[in-house]
Amino acid sequence: DIQMTQSPSTLSASVGDRVTITCRASQSFSRWLAWYQQKPGQAPKLLIYEASTLQSGVPSRFSGSGSGTEFTLTISSLQAEDFATYYCQQYNSYWTFGQGTKVEI
Amino acid sequence: EVQLVQSGAEVKKPGESLKISCKGSGYKFTNYWVGWVRQMPGKGLEWMGIIYPNDSDTTYSPSFQGQVTISADKSLTTAYLQWKSLKVSDTALYYCTRCYGFEGEFDYWGQGTLVTVSS
Repeated sequence: DIQMTQSPSTLSASVGDRVTITCRASQSFSRWLAWYQQKPGQAPKLLIYEASTLQSGVPSRFSGSGSGTEFTLTISSLQAEDFATYYCQQYNSYWTFGQGTKVEI
Repeated sequence: EVQLVQSGAEVKKPGESLKISCKGSGYKFTNYWVGWVRQMPGKGLEWMGIIYPNDSDTTYSPSFQGQVTISADKSLTTAYLQWKSLKVSDTALYYCTRCYGFEGEFDYWGQGTLVTVSS
């Protein structure tokens, strides 16, 4: 099984900040990684797939990068509506989620 | 518009059986896999299993193998998740998801079904 570890678990930030979340995999793979955003009381929403491809309709302030065992999600300028929990997910071998990163004020 | 609409919240007692549903619309149901994801109260996301409705090919996470059964009825464009004997620890929010190709990202999600198991 591929284990995914996100850091940090919680991130305190302000509107306008540049935010980076890291996801580390227990085994190396190329680009089969997705990022999801979940707001309280809502289903997760796909933001990025194949490590760096923005899902249709997702604002361009979100970006993803990485390969191998380290991947990152960056929000270039945090907006009020971005306060949420973010999950990475590998789909190189079945599916595994990271434990989540809560972005709070 | 692609939609996955799940059945409503359930309250059950330990030992009871349950089957929840996920109806897909707005796309060709048999061309996509349907996955199930568990979210326990205040916790993260866990992949449970996935089914290809066209031929009912199913794969389970080892953590959920033998604990649940995933099925689909392509004529109703509906996938199901069922338990034979619920435990208190099955209390969680369950999401269905759509996935193009085995081992792809989950591009659409249902609204979730809350299952509460309590004596």
